[in-house]
Amino acid sequence: SQQGEEDPQALSIQEGENATMNCSYKTSINNLQWYRQNSGRGLVHLILIRSNEREKHSGRLRVTLDTSKKSSSLLITASRAADTASYFCARGGREGQGGKLIFGQGTELSVKP
Amino acid sequence: NAGVMQNPRHLVRRRGQEARLRCSPMKGHSHVYWYRQLPEEGLKFMVYLQKENIIDESGMPKERFSAEFPKEGPSILRIQQVVRGDSAAYFCASSPQGLTNSPLHFGNGTRLTVT
Repeated sequence: SQQGEEDPQALSIQEGENATMNCSYKTSINNLQWYRQNSGRGLVHLILIRSNEREKHSGRLRVTLDTSKKSSSLLITASRAADTASYFCARGGREGQGGKLIFGQGTELSVKP
Repeated sequence: NAGVMQNPRHLVRRRGQEARLRCSPMKGHSHVYWYRQLPEEGLKFMVYLQKENIIDESGMPKERFSAEFPKEGPSILRIQQVVRGDSAAYFCASSPQGLTNSPLHFGNGTRLTVT
C-alpha cells in the first residue's frame, strides 16, 4: 500500500501507562506528521518531524524517525483517558504535489481509567 | 479565528440523488484538500484545490464526483447519482500554502449516508 502501515491497529492500556504507536512508509520523505482523531471529529495536528531530525518532543508526546528503516514511532507518556482517540501518521506526496498528505491506516488507542 | 467549517455535518440521500458538501477554509488559507474516510479506515486523498484551480485530482473517482473552489465562496464537493458505496465521512482540510511541511487544518467532516 502506498499509504504505509501503522501498528498496532488497536491498543488498549490503563491510565498512567505509556502508549507506543509505529508507522512505516515506503518512499523517501521530507517530513512525517502525526495527527489525532477523536470519535466523530476531524483530525488535529500533533507534531511534525523533519527528515533530518531523529527525535522530537511536545509535552507528553515523543516522536522518533528512522529514515534508514523508513519508520517512525509516537510515544505518549503517562497516558490519560482523554488520550483515547485514533492516531495517524502522514507523509507528503511526491515533489511538486503541494501540501497533499497521505495518511496511514491509523492506530486506535483506548486508555482505560 | 474560526477553523475549517464544513456543512452539513450529516447528510442523508437516497440512491440516485445528488450530494453537495461545502467547506470554508480557515481565514487566509487558499489551499483546500478533500479526503474520504470509510468506517474503521484511514483517510484517502481525493482532490487538492487552490482558488479556481484543481491542482491534483488523482484520488477522485472518474465519474460522478467533482470539486470546485471558486474565487468567492466555499469549496464544493459534488457527488452525482449517489450509490450506497458513497456512504462515508468526507473531510476537508486547508493550509495557507501548498507545502508539505505545513500542517493541515481539518474540519469536522460531513457524514454522508446513502439509503
